[in-house]
This record gives sequence, C-alpha cells and structure tokens, in this order.
Amino acid sequence: AQTVTQSQPEMSVQEAETVTLSCTYDTSENNYYLFWYKQPPSRQMILVIRQEAYKQQNATENRFSVNFQKAAKSFSLKISDSQLGDTAMYFCAFSMEYGNKLVFGAGTILRVKS
Amino acid sequence: DAGVTQSPTHLIKTRGQQVTLRCSPKSGHDTVSWYQQALGQGPQFIFQYYEEEERQRGNFPDRFSGHQFPNYSSELNVNALLLGDSALYLCASSLDPSGHSDTQYFGPGTRLTVL
Repeated sequence: AQTVTQSQPEMSVQEAETVTLSCTYDTSENNYYLFWYKQPPSRQMILVIRQEAYKQQNATENRFSVNFQKAAKSFSLKISDSQLGDTAMYFCAFSMEYGNKLVFGAGTILRVKS
Repeated sequence: DAGVTQSPTHLIKTRGQQVTLRCSPKSGHDTVSWYQQALGQGPQFIFQYYEEEERQRGNFPDRFSGHQFPNYSSELNVNALLLGDSALYLCASSLDPSGHSDTQYFGPGTRLTVL
C-alpha cells in the first residue's frame, strides 16, 4: 500500500521569504502522480501543483515549485516570496496512474508572518 | 464555470441516526470521490463513483454507502452514526478517461458533528 509522510507538523516563514515543505512517499509503482494541495482556514482544498512521475522536469506554478527526486521518493514544495495568503495547511498526496484514489499525508501547517 | 458544490455546509446529528450528504461535480466531470477528514488529519478515501457504480472503496465499514445519479451528482449516506464519524466530508470530482487518473477538484466540504 502507498503511504505519504510529511515530517514537519508546523512551519513558519516571514513574508517575502522562501520556505520548503517536505514530503516522502512509498510505492512500488513506476508511474504515478504527486500533488500538493492547500487547505486554508476556509477549509476548501485547493490544488497547488501536480507532478507526473514519468516527467524528469520539476513542475512550477508561479511562486510554487517542486523538487521531485524519484529515486529517493521525495517530493518537496518550495514557496518563493511568501505571502500572508499562503497561510494554510498543506497536504502532499499520491495517486497511482489508474484509479484516481488520493493518498494524503498528515499535512504541514504553514504560517506566514508579517 | 461552477466548481464542486456540497450540501449542507454543516450538520449536527445524534448517535444512531442516519445522514445523507450531497455533491455536485465540476462541470464536465464524470467521477466523484468522497473523503473523510478528521480534525487535524489528512483526508481518508471513502469510495469513488463512476458511471453510477462504486468503482473503488477505502477501508470504511458498510455503514458508509453512496450513490451516483445520471447527471453525475452523488450522495454519501452514513447509517447508525457513531461519535467517531464526526469529521469534514469532502467530495472531489475529476474527468476519468478510461480510468486514467486525473486531477481531482474538491468541494468546500460538509462538517458533520455527531453528539
């Protein structure tokens, strides 16, 4: 069974600084997808970024980028120029190539301070 | 373009009662998945519906059941409620070409409290 581990329960960062959230996963599959979702206090789960395992290039979405290390089964999220609106719970999630069931980590609370 | 909607927003029930939660998928999506999120934890997969059939199921008891309608909307039913069923219930929709995984988009959730 696939598992996702987020080892940082809480993180803090100053506004405009850069922060990296860690995620590791365990799977025997070769093709799969990895996601970072953001859940602000309003509780709506919002997709931040998606990575296909067969792509060597790391995904980037504006201020958000990932460092995907397939051999190490690591998938970290880097947030540049942090903004107050980035304050939220961040979940790392895994999905197999077929089936579309998401397996989530326990989450990391990120607080951006002014 | 309407996103995923869920109703009701909040619900309070007592132990032993039954509850029905509703979800309308994002326009153009045909697959609906349900997740249970206990306070302070990551969501746990309950089940997934595609073409009005339950296609996958997580590790949840038979008290949890669902349905998908021809318009792709879905219901989650929970019977014989327990205190431990108190959680945020999230619905997610996706477009599922031939079972190939696609990005899931989530609704705002229904907060269920069991007293």
